[in-house]
Amino acid sequence: GQQLNQSPQSMFIQEGEDVSMNCTSSSIFNTWLWYKQEPGEGPVLLIALYKAGELTSNGRLTAQFGITRKDSFLNISASIPSDVGIYFCAGQGKGGSEKLVFGKGTKLTVNP
Amino acid sequence: NAGVTQTPKFQVLKTGQSMTLQCAQDMNHEYMSWYRQDPGMGLRLIHYSVGAGITDQGEVPNGYNVSRSTTEDFPLRLLSAAPSQTSVYFCASSPGTGSSPLHFGNGTRLTVT
Repeated sequence: GQQLNQSPQSMFIQEGEDVSMNCTSSSIFNTWLWYKQEPGEGPVLLIALYKAGELTSNGRLTAQFGITRKDSFLNISASIPSDVGIYFCAGQGKGGSEKLVFGKGTKLTVNP
Repeated sequence: NAGVTQTPKFQVLKTGQSMTLQCAQDMNHEYMSWYRQDPGMGLRLIHYSVGAGITDQGEVPNGYNVSRSTTEDFPLRLLSAAPSQTSVYFCASSPGTGSSPLHFGNGTRLTVT
C-alpha cells in the first residue's frame, strides 16, 4: 500500500528557533494535510493543501504541497513552548477519507 | 458542538474479555473511521464507514468489528481482547465529500493484560 516517509522522527530545539519537517512518498496524492497531536488528545488539523505548488500559512506555520505531488513540508517559525507535540502529515489519493495515509509523526520538543 | 466524542478514555481488559469502544459525532458527518496509534507506527486505519448501514475494512481490521446503524454513532467491538490490541484508539469523522479533512476524538487508551 501507499506509505509516507516523515522526517525527522524527533526534534529538540530551543525556543525561538525555526523548525522544518517533511513528508515524501512514492505515490501521488491529491491532498496533503498536517495535524498536531498534544499529549492525551487526538490529532488536530493545522493546514490542508489541495493543489500542487500551494503554499499556505496558519499563523507561524507554513506548509507547501510539492510540485510533484509526492511531498510536502511544514515550517514553524519562532517556536514557542506550546508548539510541543507530535506533528503528522497525511496524504489522500483519489476517493474519500478512507484513502488517507498518515506519516509516523515528528515529535517536537521545545526547550524554553 | 461537541465534535467527536469517545468513551471511555481509559480501559483495562483481561485477555479474552470483550468490550465496545463508543464513538459519537454531532456534525452530521457521513464518514466515520477508527484508527489505532502505536509507538513508532503512526495511525493505522482499522475500519471505516461511508454512511449509515455501510462499513468496510481498513489496514488492520482483524480482531475488531464495527456497525453503523445511525449517522451519529460508530462503535468498535473487541470480541476477545488480546495483548496485541493494547493501543490508543481514535475515532474520526468527516463530511465524506472529496478531500474533507478528518476530525478526531480524544482517544481511548486500552490496555489488555
